Amino acid sequence: AQTVTQSQPEMSVQEAETVTLSCTYDTSESDYYLFWYKQPPSRQMILVIRQEAYKQQNATENRFSVNFQKAAKSFSLKISDSQLGDAAMYFCALVGGSEKLVFGKGMKLTVNP
Amino acid sequence: DVKVTQSSRYLVKRTGEKVFLECVQDMDHENMFWYRQDPGLGLRLIYFSYDVKMKEKGDIPEGYSVSREKKERFSLILESASTNQTSMYLCASSLPFRQGNEKLFFGSGTQLSVL
Repeated sequence: AQTVTQSQPEMSVQEAETVTLSCTYDTSESDYYLFWYKQPPSRQMILVIRQEAYKQQNATENRFSVNFQKAAKSFSLKISDSQLGDAAMYFCALVGGSEKLVFGKGMKLTVNP
Repeated sequence: DVKVTQSSRYLVKRTGEKVFLECVQDMDHENMFWYRQDPGLGLRLIYFSYDVKMKEKGDIPEGYSVSREKKERFSLILESASTNQTSMYLCASSLPFRQGNEKLFFGSGTQLSVL
């Protein structure tokens, strides 16, 4: 079975500060991918960052980076220099070799000016 | 640009009706997915398909079925609609993730209300 857990339903951060969103997962597959998606009010899902499980190096994409702890099955997202446009729902997601893509419950991020 | 089109933005049905939600993608994607999104529950996978005529149950398939007769179309069927199936339904498509794909494309969603 594949499960994704996001234990924090909401977080807030001051503009220009750093915030970390947590995610843990479980899978029996050895080859899998992890994603963070952002969902603005328009409901369209936007890929933030992707991590292949076989890669030890943490993925980075501009102000977004992950802390991937494979043994602990943890995949947290760090947003640096937060901007007002970062406010959205954030979803952690997992896909294994079966192509089954599952999402966590999501976390609402508020950015305060 | 890839386009994933869901046939209806809003739908109102009666309890017991058979409901069809249609999803069409125009980029020859192998994978197609149906999710429902409810406040506090995130996106829950109902069914997915990795090829024509192939379908796999997701985490909440009860009360639903799917059809994929053509590669571009993935239909979700509510055999006998119930009030607890009132939800936002999202269709998505992608190339195979195991081939290194990272992009997932969503439709605009169908807000279904069952009265």
